[in-house]
Amino acid sequence: QQKVQQSPESLIVPEGGMASLNCTSSDRNVDYFWWYRQHSGKSPKMLMSIFSNGEKEEGRFTVHLNKASLHTSLHIRDSQPSDSALYLCAASMGSGSWQLIFGSGTQLTVMP
Amino acid sequence: EAAVTQSPRNKVTVTGGNVTLSCRQTNSHNYMYWYRQDTGHGLRLIHYSYGAGNLQIGDVPDGYKATRTTQEDFFLLLELASPSQTSLYFCASSDDITEVFFGKGTRLTVV
Repeated sequence: QQKVQQSPESLIVPEGGMASLNCTSSDRNVDYFWWYRQHSGKSPKMLMSIFSNGEKEEGRFTVHLNKASLHTSLHIRDSQPSDSALYLCAASMGSGSWQLIFGSGTQLTVMP
Repeated sequence: EAAVTQSPRNKVTVTGGNVTLSCRQTNSHNYMYWYRQDTGHGLRLIHYSYGAGNLQIGDVPDGYKATRTTQEDFFLLLELASPSQTSLYFCASSDDITEVFFGKGTRLTVV
């Protein structure tokens, strides 16, 4: 079983809509989470990080983290066609670990 | 922005062949990583290193060797390539784990 699981595998939302992506870890050693975005044919780039319980907002993007359940979610409001991409959740495995483990991703398509 | 350069960008080899993928970063980052990306699996960590001469095993190391010759250079070696190693390979570097910077990728095909 993958240590980092993402859902859904794919998501289609209309332009201007809200996209909600989920990520959970089954490994109790996980401490920090990141969200990376990968446009088609490009390399992944960090979108947001979250290290403590609660919520973090940057523009149209909001990330939530519940450390007790090892669950993070990414919400994109007023989705744009340019948001269409593969969204990858990543986690680090324990304090001092430099391993960054990725989930299999959610393919987001925003329809004009 | 941090620069990570991979070469070659595309490679075709035969089963049983010998392949070396190269990665150079010019940001004085301590950490370097090799990932493979396959549909349905996201990014899977093969090997990583925290400095010249250091090597750490990732989640999918079988069939791969790696070597960090300098602070800047990290190589991935496939000594007996198999079709299951056909994939998109990404090298990445970071100063700490707060942000990892990726190269543009090497597409390897083993026929």
